[in-house]
Amino acid sequence: NAGVTQTPKFRILKIGQSMTLQCTQDMNHNYMYWYRQDPGMGLKLIYYSVGAGITDKGEVPNGYNVSRSTTEDFPLRLELAAPSQTSVYFCASRRTSGGSGGELFFGEGSRLTVL
Amino acid sequence: GDSVTQMEGPVTLSEEAFLTINCTYTATGYPSLFWYVQYPGEGLQLLLKATKADDKGSNKGFEATYRKETTSFHLEKGSVQVSDSAVYFCALPNTGNQFYFGTGTSLTVIP
Repeated sequence: NAGVTQTPKFRILKIGQSMTLQCTQDMNHNYMYWYRQDPGMGLKLIYYSVGAGITDKGEVPNGYNVSRSTTEDFPLRLELAAPSQTSVYFCASRRTSGGSGGELFFGEGSRLTVL
Repeated sequence: GDSVTQMEGPVTLSEEAFLTINCTYTATGYPSLFWYVQYPGEGLQLLLKATKADDKGSNKGFEATYRKETTSFHLEKGSVQVSDSAVYFCALPNTGNQFYFGTGTSLTVIP
């Protein structure tokens, strides 16, 4: 059971380049999330999705875009990369909404450096 | 709004010492509460959870009790090991679709 799979694991970008971080889950979860984690810091929510075709902004959406064409996939697009986007990115998914017990399952992370 | 406040780190303990990491929350209603652990170079994984007041979650020797009266969910372990060195996050889902995470507490256990 693969769970949440992220690619690539590592990437170095030059300022102004664009790229897409891929995330796929095989648990048939409706809810998917993208977080970033800066060194020594907690998690900040970038975007999330409650189902195919529906996405919403989190705390720090600027400079990013997402799409959700299928239940399984939730790619994160970085346009015009900036050094401030150097971070570790985590994709996560969960089965249920609200406060009733549905835990988040995380991918292993994608470490992005923008130079 | 909903939030979690977590004890600042870093925490350094000797092997076999007692561990407490404090977590308090503010929430509408009575959501489930979670502790996640992040080992070096890895993603977050669920350590334990509690789904209602007075529930005790436990796993790998760690415990946390959902205390409604003090709005707390403190993480404890009676005897830590070097392998417990990691960052620990308290978390709660809100009544919408988002998860709130604490800032994380880094634990280092020395032999």
